[in-house]
Amino acid sequence: DSGVTQTPKHLITATGQRVTLRCSPRSGDLSVYWYQQSLDQGLQFLIQYYNGEERAKGNILERFSAQQFPDLHSELNLSSLELGDSALYFCASSVGGGQDTQYFGPGTRLTVL
Amino acid sequence: GENVEQHPSTLSVQEGDSAVIKCTYSDSASNYFPWYKQELGKRPQLIIDIRSNVGEKKDQRIAVTLNKTAKHFSLHITETQPEDSAVYFCAASPGFQKLVFGTGTRLLVSP
Repeated sequence: DSGVTQTPKHLITATGQRVTLRCSPRSGDLSVYWYQQSLDQGLQFLIQYYNGEERAKGNILERFSAQQFPDLHSELNLSSLELGDSALYFCASSVGGGQDTQYFGPGTRLTVL
Repeated sequence: GENVEQHPSTLSVQEGDSAVIKCTYSDSASNYFPWYKQELGKRPQLIIDIRSNVGEKKDQRIAVTLNKTAKHFSLHITETQPEDSAVYFCAASPGFQKLVFGTGTRLLVSP
């Protein structure tokens, strides 16, 4: 158990809908990262937050947005969902803003029908 | 931006053999190189990492080597066991902790 929690574990929804994925980092970690992993694919970095502020952006679609709250938990919002958005979404956390080890949560499996 | 290439994409070995996975990166500013193991449907788990001021690091049966001049790093697993079967990802960090992952190597260890 990495100490990073994600909810829900599974999510099944329809095209065009909007969903919110939630992540709680390890105690003491200030950075949160979101990754997308499609079937048999690698890990695509989406976005990073550090202590409430956006720090780095990857290949995140405009239909996706994220935020980190004062209690440091983070939410990833996916809207106007398409079939191709079906994937495993991982959250990771690390202590600070340097190159610290990232610990991954168990992931949320999103299925768009 | 940073680009990480990983080879091979699949690797089959017999139990007890050694396995080597290689990665190359493009951004000379990258200075942190972790390796993650991911079992089917599970989260990636860090197994070892190396920073650019170190050329080699070992942890029991696992070792990582880094050649900054050539911009490549490798994972070595000795005395492989069936429970080592998983997908292994290398990654490089060009800064602000953004990690760029390789495409993964599926390792299969046969008894």
